[in-house]
Amino acid sequence: DGGITQSPKYLFRKEGQNVTLSCEQNLNHDAMYWYRQDPGQGLRLIYYSQIVNDFQKGDIAEGYSVSREKKESFPLTVTSAQKNPTAFYLCASSKRQLAGGYNEQFFGPGTRLTVL
Amino acid sequence: DAKTTQPNSMESNEEEPVHLPCNHSTISGTDYIHWYRQLPSQGPEYVIHGLTSNVNNRMASLAIAEDRKSSTLILHRATLRDAAVYYCILTRSNFGNEKLTFGTGTRLTIIP
Repeated sequence: DGGITQSPKYLFRKEGQNVTLSCEQNLNHDAMYWYRQDPGQGLRLIYYSQIVNDFQKGDIAEGYSVSREKKESFPLTVTSAQKNPTAFYLCASSKRQLAGGYNEQFFGPGTRLTVL
Repeated sequence: DAKTTQPNSMESNEEEPVHLPCNHSTISGTDYIHWYRQLPSQGPEYVIHGLTSNVNNRMASLAIAEDRKSSTLILHRATLRDAAVYYCILTRSNFGNEKLTFGTGTRLTIIP
């Protein structure tokens, strides 16, 4: 089945450590996104990428970094510079903006990161 | 950017229709209205979208006011699986894959 995989489902890290969250999709989508969700809140966009080797900052990019070396993969690194990293992280993908028709975003199951 | 306002929570009985309102009084003429929903501990999923005319799909219907300052997501026969947070989102285009701004949404509880 085609879909988006995020691993692990739960992740614990000590304060001051960098951590990388995995996101893989086999939907042949060009565009990929990272969102952060805090308890009781909506999603906020961290980074997005419309095509391989290119990405843009979202609304809350500080303390995060991404790479897009392959179409299928868009890993997110939460650095020690992120002041409050504990959150639910969601990855999404969609067809590229120039593709015809409506291109809704498909979301992965999320990774719940807890920094101790 | 135009903003949306939704009630924090709503309840509905199982097997009855549900009307989820969204106010967007500052919507521009070219803004599209999208609805996503998020089931507990999952990522959001697309529900429906529209511009001016009412829209129907297998999941729901979208009723858009004539002045477009409000819209209503209609679930025709709610089931327990419809319990989720529903987000009303505006975007500048119909592509669907641009930056989505999620508010706090409406938490829908279905009563058996």
